[in-house]
Amino acid sequence: TQLLEQSPQFLSIQEGENLTVYCNSSSVFSSLQWYRQEPGEGPVLLVTVVTGGEVKKLKRLTFQFGDARKDSSLHITAAQPGDTGLYLCGPGYALNFGKGTSLLVTP
Amino acid sequence: NAGVMQNPRHLVRRRGQEARLRCSPMKGHSHVYWYRQLPEEGLKFMVYLQKENIIDESGMPKERFSAEFPKEGPSILRIQQVVRGDSAAYFCASSPSAGSYNEQFFGPGTRLTVL
Repeated sequence: TQLLEQSPQFLSIQEGENLTVYCNSSSVFSSLQWYRQEPGEGPVLLVTVVTGGEVKKLKRLTFQFGDARKDSSLHITAAQPGDTGLYLCGPGYALNFGKGTSLLVTP
Repeated sequence: NAGVMQNPRHLVRRRGQEARLRCSPMKGHSHVYWYRQLPEEGLKFMVYLQKENIIDESGMPKERFSAEFPKEGPSILRIQQVVRGDSAAYFCASSPSAGSYNEQFFGPGTRLTVL
């Protein structure tokens, strides 16, 4: 089972701030997905990154896949309360997603 | 196009009873995955199934837990003789194939409470 470490585990910021969360592993992945999970709901797929060095943007969210395809980052610009949730990264099944990064954005 | 459906959304059982959790994958998806989530442990893989086949059950406890994905009907995760430690949120995900992208689409989950 591949292991992914996400950091920070908890993040509490005010609306309008920028933030970056990280997803790291010692394994190489053919692809990596990012999900957001809101309380009481299932994870929702945000993006898939495939190519080393790839950058994908989803409105105010910027995802980057490391050159060696072992790590990824998610940068949120001008965070809003609607961004609150648990952010999980994972390369597919048979993975313990781990605890993810729990983000709280306050008005 | 309906997403992944799970029912029930909430399930309460007493110790020793059986729990049956159902998952209907997205239309056209033939791969189903079950996960368990506890606040202190994160989202943990349990089992991966295709129609009528268990592909990987490495995350499933050896006793009391079983899963199936019949040719017709939903996937079922069954927990026999439940104990308090089984209380958790159980998520099902589906994907169209086992290709390299492995994009999974999750259902809303079933929250199991064992009294």
